[in-house]
Amino acid sequence: QSVLTQPPSASGTPGQRVTISCSGSSSNIGSNYVYWYQQLPGTAPKLLIYRNNQRPSGVPDRFSGSKSGTSASLAISGLRSEDEADYYCAAWDDSLSGHVFGTGTKVTVL
Amino acid sequence: EVQLVESGGGLVQPGRSLRLSCAASGFTFDDYAMHWVRQAPGKGLEWVSGISWNSGSIGYADSVKGRFTISRDNAKNSLYLQMNSLRAEDTALYYCAKSSGYYFVGGYYFDYWGQGTLVTVSS
Repeated sequence: QSVLTQPPSASGTPGQRVTISCSGSSSNIGSNYVYWYQQLPGTAPKLLIYRNNQRPSGVPDRFSGSKSGTSASLAISGLRSEDEADYYCAAWDDSLSGHVFGTGTKVTVL
Repeated sequence: EVQLVESGGGLVQPGRSLRLSCAASGFTFDDYAMHWVRQAPGKGLEWVSGISWNSGSIGYADSVKGRFTISRDNAKNSLYLQMNSLRAEDTALYYCAKSSGYYFVGGYYFDYWGQGTLVTVSS
């Protein structure tokens, strides 16, 4: 089972700001970088945010990440219909000696 | 352009074995660690295993330790996953993912993913 906890769903109307939380512990988020992945329906995951708040080239600046203590969050501002997807946080876990993912959040654009 | 193409999935009976392959192109394969990540139908992502650039460091999720073996052939730009003693709970889409650096541990992340190969374990 997933070690990182996310809300199962989030939603907003076009143009709104949506925030997704990711809760972990001292062995993962508390001591390592957080990453975020976007999985559009029927496709492979895609890197969205790396090292807590860095965006790969090509990712719009509408997406932003932050981390505080043992929690992290992903914000999507100016929500667009193409943002409908599942979003996963991830981190290395020192206790498990492995990568762990969040439970995933389905974002719906109303 | 980075390309990762998985193959080898299929229907297999519980207790049997299967070997997955991932053909990589578009980058210098032996400069990067590689991973296998799986996703059960309708479920979330689960890291399965990672291997460093030179196979010197390998890690597994507890759920597959002792049953699965990851390997790579840098001369063939290929990644493999040997899966033994398969169980129903191993049914999933298996993704090959490229690491952002030489190692698969903390500080490195999955920067490119393949489209996956489906493994179904059922009698």
